[in-house]
Amino acid sequence: DADVTQTPRNRITKTGKRIMLECSQTKGHDRMYWYRQDPGLGLRLIYYSFDVKDINKGEISDGYSVSRQAQAKFSLSLESAIPNQTALYFCATRGGAGKDEQFFGPGTRLTVL
Amino acid sequence: GQNIDQPTEMTATEGAIVQINCTYQTSGFNGLFWYQQHAGEAPTFLSYNVLDGLEEKGRFSSFLSRSKGYSYLLLKELQMKDSASYLCAVARGSSNYKLTFGKGTLLTVNP
Repeated sequence: DADVTQTPRNRITKTGKRIMLECSQTKGHDRMYWYRQDPGLGLRLIYYSFDVKDINKGEISDGYSVSRQAQAKFSLSLESAIPNQTALYFCATRGGAGKDEQFFGPGTRLTVL
Repeated sequence: GQNIDQPTEMTATEGAIVQINCTYQTSGFNGLFWYQQHAGEAPTFLSYNVLDGLEEKGRFSSFLSRSKGYSYLLLKELQMKDSASYLCAVARGSSNYKLTFGKGTLLTVNP
């Protein structure tokens, strides 16, 4: 089974709708991240959390909110989706300090019409 | 702020060697990562450098010069399956660091 899972994998929605993307991990990591990826722009950090009680904005948090329900779960919400939020969204986790890399989920492809 | 530059696209031939460069400007440098990403898939970890020098791992090697703000990923004996995007990412800060990614280099390996 995958260590980092995301649901849904694909979603098409309409402008103004509320959308929640979910991320779960079985790696036991404290640190979790949400990124979006757009062609030509690379991966950009939306929000990150270092533990259940610690939530931080990334470089492009406007229009998004997050919830860290448990160590293993980190959800990303779009309160009122707009077309320029159409992107590929990745959740990632990371373990302890030092050289530990981030492990990415399979991604959610979101299309806002 | 941070600025990370890498070429947008590169093309190489199967069996050859290719070097993908990454330059960066940042404060609080805490290491540089290289990730591989096939189209539509998740990025996967390739290498990590925090000290100057070359790290070798099979067909892939990564080099870092902190004084020059420069890294490269070297891929040897290229295979068709190496066609992918290669992402350079800089870690900044203490143990709770964040990564800032470059825009990625799309490598196409031709037969």
